[in-house]
Amino acid sequence: GQNIDQPTEMTATEGAIVQINCTYQTSGFNGLFWYQQHAGEAPTFLSYNVLDGLEEKGRFSSFLSRSKGYSYLLLKELQMKDSASYLCAVPFTGGGNKLTFGTGTQLKVEL
Amino acid sequence: DAGVTQSPTHLIKTRGQQVTLRCSPKSGHDTVSWYQQALGQGPQFIFQYYEEEERQRGNFPDRFSGHQFPNYSSELNVNALLLGDSALYLCASSLGPGKESPLHFGNGTRLTVT
Repeated sequence: GQNIDQPTEMTATEGAIVQINCTYQTSGFNGLFWYQQHAGEAPTFLSYNVLDGLEEKGRFSSFLSRSKGYSYLLLKELQMKDSASYLCAVPFTGGGNKLTFGTGTQLKVEL
Repeated sequence: DAGVTQSPTHLIKTRGQQVTLRCSPKSGHDTVSWYQQALGQGPQFIFQYYEEEERQRGNFPDRFSGHQFPNYSSELNVNALLLGDSALYLCASSLGPGKESPLHFGNGTRLTVT
């Protein structure tokens, strides 16, 4: 089976940096996705990592270590609008875009 | 460029009733997946449709069924509703089921079963 763990809640200050961790267990790795979901809205795609290392995309970066079954999402220069749930997800065994999601990390950005 | 659209946005049903939710995929997409998201949880995969066929199914009972039409739009049907079916139902579209392409989600249908 597949299992994903991520913290339930995090709080950070506007302008700061926050790291949201995700550990996963899956038989047959086919990449890892991060999605952002504001309350009452659709999840939106942030990043997809399939190789080890850090991928930077503006204020957001995502890191993957396949040997450790570990990923993190790094948010820099936090803004109030970054308050949202951040979802870590892996494709089903066999690949494709059918995803198993974690429970999501609710990030609250404070002044 | 229209994104994924779902209807209705909210729905209240009684236990034992049946419900149909609708989804139009993003323009150019041919694959539709349905997810159930309970409050405070991540989305859970229900099933995926491609070429008007159910391609894969998650751990959901047969009360959950679906359909995809020739224009790629899709319906999710739930029979014999239970209180536990109360959730946000998300539709996601993509191009092809076999690639790790990002999913584009609609805003969902909030179903309340009383």
